[in-house]
Amino acid sequence: DAKTTQPTSMDCAEGRAANLPCNHSTISGNEYVYWYRQIHSQGPQYIIHGLKNNETNEMASLIITEDRKSSTLILPHATLRDTAVYYCIVRVAGRYEETSGSRLTFGEGTQLTVNP
Amino acid sequence: NAGVTQTPKFQVLKTGQSMTLQCAQDMNHNSMYWYRQDPGMGLRLIYYSASEGTTDKGEVPNGYNVSRLNKREFSLRLESAAPSQTSVYFCASWIDRVDGYTFGSGTRLTVV
Repeated sequence: DAKTTQPTSMDCAEGRAANLPCNHSTISGNEYVYWYRQIHSQGPQYIIHGLKNNETNEMASLIITEDRKSSTLILPHATLRDTAVYYCIVRVAGRYEETSGSRLTFGEGTQLTVNP
Repeated sequence: NAGVTQTPKFQVLKTGQSMTLQCAQDMNHNSMYWYRQDPGMGLRLIYYSASEGTTDKGEVPNGYNVSRLNKREFSLRLESAAPSQTSVYFCASWIDRVDGYTFGSGTRLTVV
């Protein structure tokens, strides 16, 4: 699975958009970009994923550059409860048995702190 | 529907003691995983089970053994605990779709 690079920490004001960048310059054509977050040492929680098109769900938006070498997770109106470590991960999607042992590999992520 | 349940939530062991961390999922997922997370670090994969009856090593398997007892349950055993195994342990399960990882709430283990 491709390696990702994220800033160690970011701050955001409550109510403003939080934009979390991720570089994945070695991503392969069949690898998806996933975002998870971990709040206060709880188990990681799935946020969103995408292949090459921008994606949006009730939690966030994911913007992937045309060359797929980087992406940005956008929390449109950050709240204090969004303070967490955010992980950007790339991996092959599909049945586990068909992905040659590929699985989610977590780096150290970005600590997002939302301030009042 | 409880999702992924881990027991115990907290445990203190003395060096050399053994224990088993339990994990159960009620979502009929095929794959299950054990991760450890040390302070200030990301999660590292210890062992995984792609399906009932199979287990494989992850990044940091030394000092651990696992058992996939049935489709629901995947246990992690420390035969002789060491202080280096002090960590938070997360169990996860995965269903065959792109967004399918579900994590438990973790077991906080301290080895003294």
